[in-house]
Amino acid sequence: NAGVTQTPKFRVLKTGQSMTLLCAQDMNHEYMYWYRQDPGMGLRLIHYSVGEGTTAKGEVPDGYNVSRLKKQNFLLGLESAAPSQTSVYFCASSYWGSRLGEQYFGPGTRLTVT
Amino acid sequence: KNQVEQSPQSLIILEGKNCTLQCNYTVSPFSNLRWYKQDTGRGPVSLTIMTFSENTKSNGRYTATLDADTKQSSLHITASQLSDSASYICVVSVAGTASKLTFGTGTRLQVTL
Repeated sequence: NAGVTQTPKFRVLKTGQSMTLLCAQDMNHEYMYWYRQDPGMGLRLIHYSVGEGTTAKGEVPDGYNVSRLKKQNFLLGLESAAPSQTSVYFCASSYWGSRLGEQYFGPGTRLTVT
Repeated sequence: KNQVEQSPQSLIILEGKNCTLQCNYTVSPFSNLRWYKQDTGRGPVSLTIMTFSENTKSNGRYTATLDADTKQSSLHITASQLSDSASYICVVSVAGTASKLTFGTGTRLQVTL
């Protein structure tokens, strides 16, 4: 099993550009999440999904959109990137009811917006 | 407001020594507490998960304790190794939804020769 994978690993955007981050998991997990990690702060939840075709807002959803068209994939979109979105983005997944909803994290995507 | 505070922010120890990391939380209602290890440039990896009724749990050289009354947890690392160099993150789950996690900012541990 590859677990949770994320593409790309690194990306540099100019202000106003758009991009999509892809997360894939091969563990048949129902729940998927997108977090951002900034220096001096704990991980913060952007959006999450409780199943195929459903999404919900997390703690810091503004400026981001998500889609979960397939159970194994969770996409995070930035329509018009801003320097404040410079961060490391982590995707995670969990199987509801297993190990108290233990979350498995991907390796992260480092995004810089100039 | 739900909060998780960790101390110290950073720590340097010699290989082979023991260390203890602290976590205080104000999350309510409490469901469970997790410790994650995050290597530089990697995603967090779970070390332990403890519920309200558990006051200690081990994973190899890692032992986590939980005092739900004082809302404190600790992670003890025994006989440290260079590979233990990482950030250790305390995470508390809100009861009623295992999806809602409150993350601490982590303790950065460096193990040196």
